[in-house]
Amino acid sequence: AAGVIQSPRHLIKEKRETATLKCYPIPRHDTVYWYQQGPGQDPQFLISFYEKMQSDKGSIPDRFSAQQFSDYHSELNMSSLELGDSALYFCASSPYDSFSGNTIYFGEGSWLTVV
Amino acid sequence: ELKVEQNPLFLSMQEGKNYTIYCNYSTTSDRLYWYRQDPGKSLESLFVLLSNGAVKQEGRLMASLDTKARLSTLHITAAVHDLSATYFCAPVPGAGSYQLTFGKGTKLSVIP
Repeated sequence: AAGVIQSPRHLIKEKRETATLKCYPIPRHDTVYWYQQGPGQDPQFLISFYEKMQSDKGSIPDRFSAQQFSDYHSELNMSSLELGDSALYFCASSPYDSFSGNTIYFGEGSWLTVV
Repeated sequence: ELKVEQNPLFLSMQEGKNYTIYCNYSTTSDRLYWYRQDPGKSLESLFVLLSNGAVKQEGRLMASLDTKARLSTLHITAAVHDLSATYFCAPVPGAGSYQLTFGKGTKLSVIP
């Protein structure tokens, strides 16, 4: 079965650089979520989109922005990177009617290392 | 703000034993998820619990939800080494929210 696809899987950036992460949700899933997981930490919600509109916002820094495109894929743009941004970034997707208890599926994650 | 407390945070148990992981949360939640994570890997969905008294079982794992007590449990029966992983509970604050609020996770090690 198709899963959530994230790219790149690994990237290394220097401080103050910019990075872009991409996420391709499971087909027919119209809701996308982004989470950040620091080393040894629990995942923290960043932002979510439904039908290309922002649906919820968590602890996403102002240096970060995200959007969902017409084909439902999403991109997380991170600028002025800091050492503390080094983390595993997950994208997840679900059908809109997650209120009924549909599973939220996570991708394999993108490892960002800021040096 | 929804706060989630899991305990224990670390659990070492012998194969064949039973144990329960507890997940308490601070405010009303209309659904709760349990995930498993192996080191450096993705989050694998285990259960979605929707209503008070909900109980779901898959293999050696059984999850339950008590919305009145704001408590969910993940019970492990006759543990095997393959269950070694970190387990997260994640309630959702309420209708209209898309945020999973994760607990700190319980790192389970099953010793042969």
